[in-house]
Amino acid sequence: DQQVKQNSPSLSVQEGRISILNCDYTNSMFDYFLWYKKYPAEGPTFLISISSIKDKNEDGRFTVFLNKSAKHLSLHIVPSQPGDSAVYFCAATPGAQKLVFGQGTRLTINP
Amino acid sequence: DGGITQSPKYLFRKEGQNVTLSCEQNLNHDAMYWYRQDPGQGLRLIYYSQIVNDFQKGDIAEGYSVSREKKESFPLTVTSAQKNPTAFYLCASSMRASTEAFFGQGTRLTVV
Repeated sequence: DQQVKQNSPSLSVQEGRISILNCDYTNSMFDYFLWYKKYPAEGPTFLISISSIKDKNEDGRFTVFLNKSAKHLSLHIVPSQPGDSAVYFCAATPGAQKLVFGQGTRLTINP
Repeated sequence: DGGITQSPKYLFRKEGQNVTLSCEQNLNHDAMYWYRQDPGQGLRLIYYSQIVNDFQKGDIAEGYSVSREKKESFPLTVTSAQKNPTAFYLCASSMRASTEAFFGQGTRLTVV
């Protein structure tokens, strides 16, 4: 039972344009959502998070949007840079308990 | 400086042998986690521990065992009962009241 789903295994975006990564969840008990970035053979690094009481959180080039009614969140990266090429994982947690991760989306930024 | 350390980075074992992966953190975090990554499967939770001397099974605990005798350490043993042990294993830790988890660099285990 995949509670957090990232339906796009890969995404290719032109440098300077906007990258939009999507994530859907099924568990209505999730109250905190996170995005992680991962390079090959390394551990994921935390990128940005959002609480369920908000619908938007912004940090520099990264913005996360949460639509609770649709159980959907998205990560916007603008402008996209070559160093953004990585695998991005969406994660969710119910009340500061275990993190549940999606399958990941491989983002490739083309020059 | 503070961080979370996994060792070794690469590990090879013969089929049927138990193997223990090390995870140490000096972040003073209460919670620690073990995840497994397989191609196209994302990160799947094996075991987690919210406090010393206590741990819970994750989604794929069969064939694995853990211990949490010290706050800083959360070793994972991959037993011979694990059917497909070859994978990339990631350890993470977080503060009890926070949900942001910090990850180690991972251990790639290959069973031949």
